[in-house]
Amino acid sequence: DAMVIQNPRYQVTQFGKPVTLSCSQTLNHNVMYWYQQKSSQAPKLLFHYYDKDFNNEADTPDNFQSRRPNTSFCFLDIRSPGLGDAAMYLCATSRELRQVGEQFFGPGTRLTVL
Amino acid sequence: DAKTTQPNSMESNEEEPVHLPCNHSTISGTDYIHWYRQLPSQGPEYVIHGLTSNVNNRMASLAIAEDRKSSTLILHRATLRDAAVYYCILTSGTYKYIFGTGTRLKVLA
Repeated sequence: DAMVIQNPRYQVTQFGKPVTLSCSQTLNHNVMYWYQQKSSQAPKLLFHYYDKDFNNEADTPDNFQSRRPNTSFCFLDIRSPGLGDAAMYLCATSRELRQVGEQFFGPGTRLTVL
Repeated sequence: DAKTTQPNSMESNEEEPVHLPCNHSTISGTDYIHWYRQLPSQGPEYVIHGLTSNVNNRMASLAIAEDRKSSTLILHRATLRDAAVYYCILTSGTYKYIFGTGTRLKVLA
């Protein structure tokens, strides 16, 4: 089945130690998104790629970066994780950037910062 | 960005219909209404969307008020697998989803 895959499902890192989360998709969608979801809160959009074009949300901290080496893969890099970055990180895809267009979410990676 | 308001939580008995309300009093004429749900330990999944008319699909129905200031997601027969957080989202001329706090639905056996 076509899907959005996130690895690992659980990631533990140390305060200040860079960490990379990965997402892959078999849907061949143009758009890939990263959301942050803190405990008991709603998902919040960090940034997205349309093909190779990167769009950062205005309030996304500089500590968060992303790479998309090809259509299928997208990475979230946290350069110096703080305790406040502990959260579920969700990757999503959509065929296009449109007002109406389903977003397909992966299962998420839960990040713990020690 | 147009804002949505949902009850924090609701309960339903299994096999009974569930009506999940959403208020969006500042909705504009071109805003679409989307519903997603998030099962425990999973990412959100699409449920349904609409603009003005009521919509049905295999998962649910969406009833949109005539003035569009509110909408209701209807699950016709709740099952235990429907226990989730349900998000009502407006897209205001953009692709961007701004999730509200959502409604946590508890289904009682």
